[in-house]
Parts: sequence; C-alpha cells; structure tokens
Amino acid sequence: DSGVTQTPKHLITATGQRVTLRCSPRSGDLSVYWYQQSLDQGLQFLIQYYNGEERAKGNILERFSAQQFPDLHSELNLSSLELGDSALYFCASSSPLPEAFFGQGTRLTVV
Amino acid sequence: AQSVTQLGSHVSVSEGALVLLRCNYSSSVPPYLFWYVQYPNQGLQLLLKYTSAATLVKGINGFEAEFKKSETSFHLTKPSAHMSDAAEYFCAVRDSGNTPLVFGKGTRLSVIA
Repeated sequence: DSGVTQTPKHLITATGQRVTLRCSPRSGDLSVYWYQQSLDQGLQFLIQYYNGEERAKGNILERFSAQQFPDLHSELNLSSLELGDSALYFCASSSPLPEAFFGQGTRLTVV
Repeated sequence: AQSVTQLGSHVSVSEGALVLLRCNYSSSVPPYLFWYVQYPNQGLQLLLKYTSAATLVKGINGFEAEFKKSETSFHLTKPSAHMSDAAEYFCAVRDSGNTPLVFGKGTRLSVIA
C-alpha cells in the first residue's frame, strides 16, 4: 500500500460529460502529480501541485483542470469528454523524499 | 528537456535467466533516477532509486541498477528471473526532488517457464 488513495477506481461515462477524479496523498506529502496512461502515449505528466499552488504543467488539455485543497487532497476535473480521453489516470505524491508514490489509478472509459 | 529512453518495448526471458532492462536518460544535471514496476491493473510501485549516493543500487525483489554517468545509463538487472517478475517496468528521471518525474515508454517483461 503506497498510502496514496484514488477514487473512484473505475468510471464509465458518455462523451460530452464531465467527471471529477479524487486523490488523497500520503500523510506529510505536499506535492501531488497527475499522470495519464494510455496504450499509445505511455505515461504522460499532466499537472503538479505543491502545497495548494500549481507548480508545473505538462500535456494537460484545456478541457482538463485540477486543484489542491487546504487539506492537500487534489481533484482532477475532465470536461467535454471525448472517446480519446479513455485512459488510466494516476495520482502520485512526494516531498520531502525524491521518489513519488503512486495510487492505484482511476480507469476512465468514455463511451 | 529531460527524456528517458527504454530500449525494447518487450523483453522475454526464460525462468532462471538474467534479466536486463535498458534505460538511458538525458539530463543536464546529476539526476534522480528510478525504476518502477507495474503489475496488471495496478499502480506503479517503486523498485529502486538512485540519489547520488552509491552508483550500484539495490532494490526490492532482487533487482539492482547501476548508474553510469559516462554512458548516461541506468540499466536494471536481476540475476535470475522468476515467473512473478512478469510485469511492465518503467524508468524515470527527475532533476530535483520537487519536479515531475519523466518516464520512459516502459518495457514489458515476459518470463517463460
């Protein structure tokens, strides 16, 4: 058990809809990262938050947004969903250690 | 920008044989380097990490990796493969302790009985 909790584990939704993925980091970790894993793109970094502030942005679409709350949990919002958004979405946390610890992921299926 | 190259998207070995998974990185500063393993329908689990201490790093499940700065490599090895080692392996790099990890595309390891 990595200590990082992601909910829900599975999500099936229709095109055009909006979903919210939730992540609770390990106790004491200030950084939260979101990654998207798909067969053709591999593991793509989306966005990082550190202690409530956006720290780094990767290949995140404008239809996607995230935030980190005062209790350090984070949410990733995906809107106007397309079939191509179907993927595994991982949350990871770190700090102060250099390694990141990953949650079990949310499998999103857009139909 | 940092990048990680994993040679071979799929490696197949016999049970008991040597496992060698290759990873090369590009980084302008001494990096942190990691190997993660992903079993089917699971998250990524840290196998081992290099953080500028010893160049030969030992991890869990009998795996180890050697940091070679001159070759910008961090190959993962295990002397004797076990059936339970079948999984996807990812090499990752980061410049400092608070920047995102950059991952390679992964290598799927199959172990044949």
